[in-house]
Amino acid sequence: AQSVAQPEDQVNVAEGNPLTVKCTYSVSGNPYLFWYVQYPNRGLQFLLKYITGDNLVKGSYGFEAEFNKSQTSFHLKKPSALVSDSALYFCAVRDDVRQAGTALIFGKGTTLSVSS
Amino acid sequence: SAVISQKPSRDICQRGTSLTIQCQVDSQVTMMFWYRQQPGQSLTLIATANQGSEATYESGFVIDKFPISRPNLTFSTLTVSNMSPEDSSIYLCSVDLAGLGETQYFGPGTRLLVL
Repeated sequence: AQSVAQPEDQVNVAEGNPLTVKCTYSVSGNPYLFWYVQYPNRGLQFLLKYITGDNLVKGSYGFEAEFNKSQTSFHLKKPSALVSDSALYFCAVRDDVRQAGTALIFGKGTTLSVSS
Repeated sequence: SAVISQKPSRDICQRGTSLTIQCQVDSQVTMMFWYRQQPGQSLTLIATANQGSEATYESGFVIDKFPISRPNLTFSTLTVSNMSPEDSSIYLCSVDLAGLGETQYFGPGTRLLVL
């Protein structure tokens, strides 16, 4: 069965410092991996995805994520955090074995708090 | 990406009543999904709604409680029937623009409070 784990409920970082939000996954085939961000009282916004190719994926707002197949991880990173990055971050996965149109499996979310 | 709108954006309802949520997309899409996000929780898929076929429901969700319509390639509705306080959630629709099972784009959500 597919699953996603975000081991940290909350990550606190000072503005200007690098940030990492962790995600590990389990799928039966090759993974399609995604990061979404949810600001208060807003819907989910797509940040980035890994389907195939380079393990380091760059996305919106300066975020990037590194796919590590051996560790089954897809951690979200940013070199220098901004206060405006404070939000709820979701990692999601599906595998390539299923038919197209299978919905995503989401982690429970990690709240990122960036202090000034 | 796509512009996805949902109506209503929020509502407060009495138990036992029903609410229909609309999802409108500015381009034609084959695959649409409805998710629920209970307070402080992650997203859970309710059903997949493809135009021209009946919705496919996930375990724990039934058509009598969450009937879905998909009359065309740009529109879908989700009804939350016979509501109880446990139905208080954010309901989100999403679309798979390319139909390749890759990126899904989400609407802004409908915040429902059942009293």
